[in-house]
Amino acid sequence: EAGVTQSPTHLIKTRGQQATLRCSPISGHTSVYWYQQALGLGLQFLLWYDEGEERNRGNFPPRFSGRQFPNYSSELNVNALELEDSALYLCASSLVLAGEQYFGPGTRLTVT
Amino acid sequence: DAKTTQPNSMESNEEEPVHLPCNHSTISGTDYIHWYRQLPSQGPEYVIHGLTSNVNNRMASLAIAEDRKSSTLILHRATLRDAAVYYCILNTDKLIFGTGTRLQVFP
Repeated sequence: EAGVTQSPTHLIKTRGQQATLRCSPISGHTSVYWYQQALGLGLQFLLWYDEGEERNRGNFPPRFSGRQFPNYSSELNVNALELEDSALYLCASSLVLAGEQYFGPGTRLTVT
Repeated sequence: DAKTTQPNSMESNEEEPVHLPCNHSTISGTDYIHWYRQLPSQGPEYVIHGLTSNVNNRMASLAIAEDRKSSTLILHRATLRDAAVYYCILNTDKLIFGTGTRLQVFP
């Protein structure tokens, strides 16, 4: 069974640009979560999508947004990139509410 | 969001059992206790979770106090591959990661 996949592996952008990160959940999982892991700040919850709807979001500005497609894959968009957005962005999927989450390998975003 | 408290670091020798404690005194009745670990340069990995009863799986055991205000992750025989940061998290609809416990395993 394929795990959670994310693309691209690395992404380099300049300040002010937009970044789009993609995630494919484990087959059958309807919930997708996004987390940011910045150096020295630990893992921070970003967004949760389930059945195509945004269910919850963490303490991040509105320029962090995303969507979930009918096939349950998801996209995270970060607009007006700032240097401090440089981080590892992790996607996870789960089958049930409050169930175990399975993480992808992440996308390393570097903003210069 | 309910918070958890874990020691910053712990050490163990290979082949010895490891007991990783977690305090969660503000836990609510619907919070599941989850444990994840993160090996260097990897995304977090699910370890185990439970609600009220003790749980066992191939990776570890989870002992939950009767009042649910604390729990302990038990690695029965630590290996070098178990060196990681272990996170105890109360999960309702999202995972709020704290700083975790960094486990060092010595040969």
